[in-house]
Amino acid sequence: EAGVAQSPRYKIIEKRQSVAFWCNPISGHATLYWYQQILGQGPKLLIQFQNNGVVDDSQLPKDRFSAERLKGVDSTLKIQPAKLEDSAVYLCASSLVADRGTGELFFGEGSRLTVL
Amino acid sequence: GQQLNQSPQSMFIQEGEDVSMNCTSSSIFNTWLWYKQDPGEGPVLLIALYKAGELTSNGRLTAQFGITRKDSFLNISASIPSDVGIYFCAGIIQGAQKLVFGQGTRLTINP
Repeated sequence: EAGVAQSPRYKIIEKRQSVAFWCNPISGHATLYWYQQILGQGPKLLIQFQNNGVVDDSQLPKDRFSAERLKGVDSTLKIQPAKLEDSAVYLCASSLVADRGTGELFFGEGSRLTVL
Repeated sequence: GQQLNQSPQSMFIQEGEDVSMNCTSSSIFNTWLWYKQDPGEGPVLLIALYKAGELTSNGRLTAQFGITRKDSFLNISASIPSDVGIYFCAGIIQGAQKLVFGQGTRLTINP
């Protein structure tokens, strides 16, 4: 079974530029998550989708971050304009259970963003 | 902010030693999970716990869901070099759907 696919693996940009990350979840997984992991910290949830609807985006900085999940499958996370503090690994995860959730997430390898 | 307090932050042990780490919170959790993250990879689920008092093993790993539902621990017996990595506790707070993570415990093993 193919895992969660993410791209690009690495991205270096200057502050105020924009960047987009792409995620393809495991086939059949209804729930998709974007986490931000700053160096030395645990992952922090940015947004959670169930199919193509948003379940939780309370910690998404909506003035600069946006995410969409078209047709309930692939998802993109965009940052515009980027700030220095956005330097982090952006992890995409998916899970099979679509209701209350079990916490059993499958993570991709992540996209490492460096903002200069 | 962080709702899970994970300790210790780092551990340096000899191969073959047992390891113990824990996670505490002031909130009540419905679910506790333990993940491991290797460098350049995403976290991988090790053990999931769904009931207070539950004790679950996965090979040399054992984890327990605390009776108060506010804590959990993970033990690793007879450590081997491939156990090196960062271990994260994670949980779902009662009444919520969001999975929150601890700060991680970095495990280093001297051969």
